[in-house]
Amino acid sequence: GAVVSQHPSWVICKSGTSVKIECRSLDFQATTMFWYRQFPKQSLMLMATSNEGSKATYEQGVEKDKFLINHASLTLSTLTVTSAHPEDSSFYICSAPDTRRAFEQYFGPGTRLTVT
Amino acid sequence: AQTVTQSQPEMSVQEAETVTLSCTYDTSESDYYLFWYKQPPSRQMILVIRQEAYKQQNATENRFSVNFQKAAKSFSLKISDSQLGDAAMYFCAYRSNNAGNMLTFGGGTRLMVKP
Repeated sequence: GAVVSQHPSWVICKSGTSVKIECRSLDFQATTMFWYRQFPKQSLMLMATSNEGSKATYEQGVEKDKFLINHASLTLSTLTVTSAHPEDSSFYICSAPDTRRAFEQYFGPGTRLTVT
Repeated sequence: AQTVTQSQPEMSVQEAETVTLSCTYDTSESDYYLFWYKQPPSRQMILVIRQEAYKQQNATENRFSVNFQKAAKSFSLKISDSQLGDAAMYFCAYRSNNAGNMLTFGGGTRLMVKP
């Protein structure tokens, strides 16, 4: 199947700093990517849809100024957590649908963010 | 908006036995996909099985099969001959064919496999 990578796999940052997470589709192009947040023992919650060449679409309750999304190319989307606080600590997962495979979504391995 | 409900937070099965995980969903659409994903301790999401709503035949992938009841909006996953490696979180997910390919996930079921 298709491959989606995320970097970094884990990051620790201090409160008030910003952190950037990258999501790459390695062997296919993705005009759309999705960013999810997952708290321990909970399900994946969609945060936003990243669109190549246009603004991201945020889900209700997600602060667009805090979670900046940039879909820089057909293979790269980035999520920047600005002015991070301990409550932003979570597991962030991206996914990308592959148009060659009926838009089946492929998931990155996730990024564990810890804000101290 | 679509909702997906998994009513079993945890399930347990003896190795080599069969277990069924439940999933119900709510939608007014007729064209959609349903999925079961596995999330092992590594937290990498793995597609287990997929069902297209217009297909009446239940999908099967080796030891995994589904019971898709469209009228009842039910989509259960049956795991036969359970193995220790099947222990994981299982998420049921819905995808509309009319809403940008985004997935709506259920709350998940933690499956434990006893040796």
